[in-house]
Amino acid sequence: GQNIDQPTEMTATEGAIVQINCTYQTSGFNGLFWYQQHAGEAPTFLSYNVLDGLEEKGRFSSFLSRSKGYSYLLLKELQMKDSASYLCAVRQDSNYQLIWGAGTKLIIKP
Amino acid sequence: DTGVSQNPRHKITKRGQNVTFRCDPISEHNRLYWYRQTLGQGPEFLTYFQNEAQLEKSRLLSDRFSAERPKGSFSTLEIQRTEQGDSAMYLCASSPTTGEADGYTFGSGTRLTVV
Repeated sequence: GQNIDQPTEMTATEGAIVQINCTYQTSGFNGLFWYQQHAGEAPTFLSYNVLDGLEEKGRFSSFLSRSKGYSYLLLKELQMKDSASYLCAVRQDSNYQLIWGAGTKLIIKP
Repeated sequence: DTGVSQNPRHKITKRGQNVTFRCDPISEHNRLYWYRQTLGQGPEFLTYFQNEAQLEKSRLLSDRFSAERPKGSFSTLEIQRTEQGDSAMYLCASSPTTGEADGYTFGSGTRLTVV
């Protein structure tokens, strides 16, 4: 079967660092995406990993281990505006359809 | 180009009525996707177009759902004989054929409420 698991909710403090994990079991793998979604809004693209290792983009970094079926999103220097849901999605093949996790709701406290 | 545009933003309809949503993708993107999202869940794939061709349709999609992209530009999603279970956010996304590392661009969605 196909499955993408993320924690339902996490809480962190403004200025701190938080790591959101994602594990996946899919019939194929052709890339993993992280998206940010504020309540009532559409998802916005954050990062893409297709090879093992760490991709850094400003305050956000994403890591992938294909052998472990595992990824994480690392958010540094947290700001209140980072309060949102973070969705992990896997592309299984070249048709670009994504399989999505349910998302992790991140709550930032002052 | 102002990104992916979806209309209407909100739709309230009575059970049994038909509804149609429109999506205008980014003009240079030839791939277009429809997803459905309910509260607390990730988006669920509905269907996918490359240019005007509908290449894939979810097995979860009943015969009441139909989508078109007649000229390979905008797309419409129609739901016939709506049911309360159809209440959700309907998201459209587009992407170019190449540049997969850039991800998809989503529209703001159409929130459907069936009463």
